[in-house]
Amino acid sequence: QQQVKQSPQSLIVQKGGISIINCAYENTAFDYFPWYQQFPGKGPALLIAIRPDVSEKKEGRFTISFNKSAKQFSLHIMDSQPGDSATYFCAASHGYQKVTFGIGTKLQVIP
Amino acid sequence: GAVVSQHPSWVICKSGTSVKIECRSLDFQATTMFWYRQFPKQSLMLMATSNEGSKATYEQGVEKDKFLINHASLTLSTLTVTSAHPEDSSFYICSAREPQGLNQPQHFGDGTRLSIL
Repeated sequence: QQQVKQSPQSLIVQKGGISIINCAYENTAFDYFPWYQQFPGKGPALLIAIRPDVSEKKEGRFTISFNKSAKQFSLHIMDSQPGDSATYFCAASHGYQKVTFGIGTKLQVIP
Repeated sequence: GAVVSQHPSWVICKSGTSVKIECRSLDFQATTMFWYRQFPKQSLMLMATSNEGSKATYEQGVEKDKFLINHASLTLSTLTVTSAHPEDSSFYICSAREPQGLNQPQHFGDGTRLSIL
């Protein structure tokens, strides 16, 4: 059972555009939602994370929007750049329990 | 930011040999480390949770005798793939969780590409 559903699986965005990746979760006990960025041949790197007591968190060009009632959260990458081309994973966890990852979104930013 | 070092980054060995992968947290003490396996173009699959000073907790379907995990100190966990076979070829990634409080972020190593001939 996939507890964190991520879409789309692949995304092509033009340079300067906005990249949007969506995730939905089922377990209402989840209370920590990180996003990871992974380049080929590398491990995932923590990009940004949010807790459900806020609806939005912004760090530079990256913004997480969180909708607790809909059990959805999304990553927005503003002014997307070719260097942002990577695979992005949303994730969720509760307390000390293991992190559940989404399936991943391969983002390609074209010039 | 927090750094997790994983070694080696790439290993090629013959079928039947055992391979050890090290995972170190460089600037924080990690009571909990995790080992993942990732197939091409797929998500991370948690193999086991490693707790310092106690036995690892393996996920369903992961062979404990095949994938030996040792978490001997607060900064080092090792994964040994015993009697490796070609089907064990994969990308193995460790992570370490910052210790203070609930829901602390996990930081990942750069992975180990294991190729069994």
